[in-house]
Amino acid sequence: AQKVTQAQTEISVVEKEDVTLDCVYETRDTTYYLFWYKQPPSGELVFLIRRNSFDEQNEISGRYSWNFQKSTSSFNFTITASQVVDSAVYFCALMTTDSWGKLQFGAGTQVVVTP
Amino acid sequence: GAVVSQHPSWVICKSGTSVKIECRSLDFQATTMFWYRQFPKQSLMLMATSNEGSKATYEQGVEKDKFLINHASLTLSTLTVTSAHPEDSSFYICSARRQGLAYNEQFFGPGTRLTVL
Repeated sequence: AQKVTQAQTEISVVEKEDVTLDCVYETRDTTYYLFWYKQPPSGELVFLIRRNSFDEQNEISGRYSWNFQKSTSSFNFTITASQVVDSAVYFCALMTTDSWGKLQFGAGTQVVVTP
Repeated sequence: GAVVSQHPSWVICKSGTSVKIECRSLDFQATTMFWYRQFPKQSLMLMATSNEGSKATYEQGVEKDKFLINHASLTLSTLTVTSAHPEDSSFYICSARRQGLAYNEQFFGPGTRLTVL
């Protein structure tokens, strides 16, 4: 069985603060993909990143960075110097080879950035 | 880029009526489309997998007679909510899997907000 846990329901920060969103996953597959999506109030999912299980390199894209640790089954996401536009729900998701194509989403973390 | 559209973007209907939601891949062919449902402040839950030219595969607990899915072409899948009731009010999101990509990337539509009165 596969599972994605986002233990943080909501995180509130003041603009320019850093915020880290946790994601812990469970799977028995050795080949899998991890994703982060942003869902602003409009509802449309915005793809942020995909990482496969064989690539543990951390990634940075502008103010966003991701830390993939297979040893702890975690794929955490950090927003540096947060902005009001970062306010949204962020979902971590898992796709495995035995459920090819199906995405298992975490519960999501609501990020609220205040000026 | 790969674009997926949904129509309508929102719909309000009376209890007992049926509502059809369309999901189209605009610039690529999609052999597989997925339908998700999202209740307020909750996560996305997969309802069914729709394969072009064959019957949809429904997730456990999803009533296939209530949520009819048709995937008649490589660019169009439809979800019909039959005899809708207030508890069916939700945000419905489709995604399309782009044919030919090794890891089966999915592209999401903008969603359809259904309100049943």
